Amino acid sequence: EAQVTQNPRYLITVTGKKLTVTCSQNMNHEYMSWYRQDPGLGLRQIYYSMNVEVTDKGDVPEGYKVSRKEKRNFPLILESPSPNQTSLYFCASSPSVGDATNEKLFFGSGTQLSVL
Amino acid sequence: AQKITQTQPGMFVQEKEAVTLDCTYDTSDQSYGLFWYKQPSSGEMIFLIYQGSYDEQNATEGRYSLNFQKARKSANLVISASQLGDSAMYFCAMRESDKLIFGTGTRLQVFP
Repeated sequence: EAQVTQNPRYLITVTGKKLTVTCSQNMNHEYMSWYRQDPGLGLRQIYYSMNVEVTDKGDVPEGYKVSRKEKRNFPLILESPSPNQTSLYFCASSPSVGDATNEKLFFGSGTQLSVL
Repeated sequence: AQKITQTQPGMFVQEKEAVTLDCTYDTSDQSYGLFWYKQPSSGEMIFLIYQGSYDEQNATEGRYSLNFQKARKSANLVISASQLGDSAMYFCAMRESDKLIFGTGTRLQVFP
């Protein structure tokens, strides 16, 4: 089954304790992206990647890192989480980039992160 | 800068009635795509419908249609014959090459 898999689904941690949220897609998509969703703010892009070893900042990259060593995986790393990073996080992918404005994003099921 | 605006934080509609969810956008590009996603209470993001900037006809997908008015930069979602299962958060989004940006969403509540 074609899908984007995020883990974990729920995560509670404490301030400053490094964590990684994994994301994997099995559709051979070139484009992958991370979003955070907060009430009243919709979904905001954190980082995106157009291919292996190519990553770019989105609108809210502060406090996050990503890597794209393999095409299928795009982990989100919080080196020193803070309470303002408590949010619902989504990983998403699409086949390609550039002029493909018709390509929809396929979303993972989300990770609810709470930083105490 | 590109921007998506959804001015209705919440909407109510009676079952079997039609409802329109508003979306306006701002872009200087000629080529772009407009999307609507549904997010039920379970949290997943479900793709509903797509409209390309060069498409002359409004997109339709079952009970969903997109009222695309390019000159007014609006891309409203119309849901016909609402069902209780349509109760959810709805997001409008716009794609320009490598970026897909979202509006703040509209929470739709369908009542019997």
